[in-house]
Amino acid sequence: DTGVSQDPRHKITKRGQNVTFRCDPISEHNRLYWYRQTLGQGPEFLTYFQNEAQLEKSRLLSDRFSAERPKGSFSTLEIQRTEQGDSAMYLCASSLASSAQETQYFGPGTRLLVL
Amino acid sequence: QKEVEQDPGPLSVPEGAIVSLNCTYSNSAFQYFMWYRQYSRKGPELLMYTYSSGNKEDGRFTAQVDKSSKYISLFIRDSQPSDSATYLCAMSGNTGGFKTIFGAGTRLFVKA
Repeated sequence: DTGVSQDPRHKITKRGQNVTFRCDPISEHNRLYWYRQTLGQGPEFLTYFQNEAQLEKSRLLSDRFSAERPKGSFSTLEIQRTEQGDSAMYLCASSLASSAQETQYFGPGTRLLVL
Repeated sequence: QKEVEQDPGPLSVPEGAIVSLNCTYSNSAFQYFMWYRQYSRKGPELLMYTYSSGNKEDGRFTAQVDKSSKYISLFIRDSQPSDSATYLCAMSGNTGGFKTIFGAGTRLFVKA
């Protein structure tokens, strides 16, 4: 499977714990996006990378959230001191910015439950 | 007011019906318009991609964009039970990517 992969698929944690999610984009894609999706809502943009540079962060991304893409390939999203309100599906998407039609391809998501 | 408005449904139709899904938006800078399908507990998958105004057809699916009314639609002909999913409209500015804004999604049920 050469699509976007995310790990883990599910995470249950206690409030106050730190969690880290990983996203492996489609190999030739230079842009990588993180979204958060809650029940009954569409994905909400969190941040995006072009290669290893983080170019935009949403105001939704509080200082407890940090994302990295150290070598311009895979990315990690860390949430520190998790809160119950962080419970959501975290989606990663990737795209090839140089193409005329920049389509974002989504991974299966990581479903987080904070108890 | 949200930038993109989409009726969450649910919308229930019999098999074979024509389904009409739509979204309205407020930002006139949007130029790229997408429809994604999302099955339960899965990531969204791209169905249709349209630039600016006009129609685009792909098999049983037709996407329409009316920029003057800030209104987009997705039509599904001969709907099948396998079309049962949440349909998300999405739109972005002049790059076609980056900071894509999604609607809340419409849940569709196609009954056999």
